[in-house]
Amino acid sequence: KNEVEQSPQNLTAQEGEFITINCSYSVGISALHWLQQHPGGGIVSLFMLSSGKKKHGRLIATINIQEKHSSLHITASHPRDSAVYICAVKARTSGSRLTFGEGTQLTVNP
Amino acid sequence: DTEVTQTPKHLVMGMTNKKSLKCEQHMGHRAMYWYKQKAKKPPELMFVYSYEKLSINESVPSRFSPECPNSSLLNLHLHALQPEDSALYLCASSQVDMVSYNEQFFGPGTRLTVL
Repeated sequence: KNEVEQSPQNLTAQEGEFITINCSYSVGISALHWLQQHPGGGIVSLFMLSSGKKKHGRLIATINIQEKHSSLHITASHPRDSAVYICAVKARTSGSRLTFGEGTQLTVNP
Repeated sequence: DTEVTQTPKHLVMGMTNKKSLKCEQHMGHRAMYWYKQKAKKPPELMFVYSYEKLSINESVPSRFSPECPNSSLLNLHLHALQPEDSALYLCASSQVDMVSYNEQFFGPGTRLTVL
């Protein structure tokens, strides 16, 4: 079992829909990243969380430390949101290493 | 400047070639990272430099040779690569803090093809 599990692996939505991507992890962490990667492209950091909730534009990220679970929500989704979304955690005992989930491929159709 | 830049964007090389990848940041970060990413897989950490010194080498083959000539620049020298080394090579940087974790900022990557 991976230390970081994401669901779903693939997600197709219609423009305007509310989207949720989930991340569960099994280790104690000091921080969790949500990252975005467009096809053939580099990685953009969307959020870094250690507790609570953060919002940036149409994106919201939440984390529940007790349940070892985080969600990324996209409101009013748009085709330009189509990308791979990756959850990565910084485990308390892993130095500067990040442990990555396998990613969620999101496709938003017009 | 909140950007990590990488050159070249694309590189095609033969198995006998020697080439280098370059990464630069001007955010004052003192930790820099090399990752390798195969298609449809998450990034895998290769090397970490902290204060221009190699602090982590994830058992990477010696045909990959990292170099950190100064606090803004990170190179990855490539020699005698194999076709299975074809991948996206990502650079990242972060502050160094012994107490808390600092966010990593990623570059756009270099797409490497080894023929």
